[in-house]
Amino acid sequence: QKEVEQDPGPLSVPEGAIVSLNCTYSNSAFQYFMWYRQYSRKGPELLMYTYSSGNKEDGRFTAQVDKSSKYISLFIRDSQPSDSATYLCAMSAGANSKLTFGKGITLSVRP
Amino acid sequence: NAGVMQNPRHLVRRRGQEARLRCSPMKGHSHVYWYRQLPEEGLKFMVYLQKENIIDESGMPKERFSAEFPKEGPSILRIQQVVRGDSAAYFCASSPVGIRETGGGGYTFGSGTRLTVV
Repeated sequence: QKEVEQDPGPLSVPEGAIVSLNCTYSNSAFQYFMWYRQYSRKGPELLMYTYSSGNKEDGRFTAQVDKSSKYISLFIRDSQPSDSATYLCAMSAGANSKLTFGKGITLSVRP
Repeated sequence: NAGVMQNPRHLVRRRGQEARLRCSPMKGHSHVYWYRQLPEEGLKFMVYLQKENIIDESGMPKERFSAEFPKEGPSILRIQQVVRGDSAAYFCASSPVGIRETGGGGYTFGSGTRLTVV
């Protein structure tokens, strides 16, 4: 079983839709949870950063962490064509240097 | 603020040659991390360095790969005797403090070097 599993996609939605992206993990030591956005031929850009369980909201983006279920989600409200990118979940135990990433899901928002 | 600078952006090497990838961290950042992204795969951790020290190299292949971050100059990821399987995008990230303090939130990634081995 991989440490981090992410829905494979790709995902195509119409503009204005609510998008739900999910990851599950197996390592109970993970304490820090992140979502990165990666445009084609670019480096990952940090979108959301959450410590432990709970919700965090930033504009149209909401990150949820459920440590009891080892499940994290990213919700995008009122999706825009500019949101079209690959989204990567990542997590770390906080006591070492590694970020463990999911494979990423490619999102396309149709105008 | 120039961000994390990686060069070259694209590198083509023949099998058996050496590849050198360079990373200049953001100004004020003294911690550097290298990740590799294979086609259809997520980012995989390779190595974490501070100036003149390798902190964690648990993700580095045992042979042919090495990394350094000298007191002066950029961090270098070196791949000797490249093989086709080394073809990938290599990303560098930097942070102002170590991951122990930031848990990953302080990372800034560069745009990567795309290595193609022919």
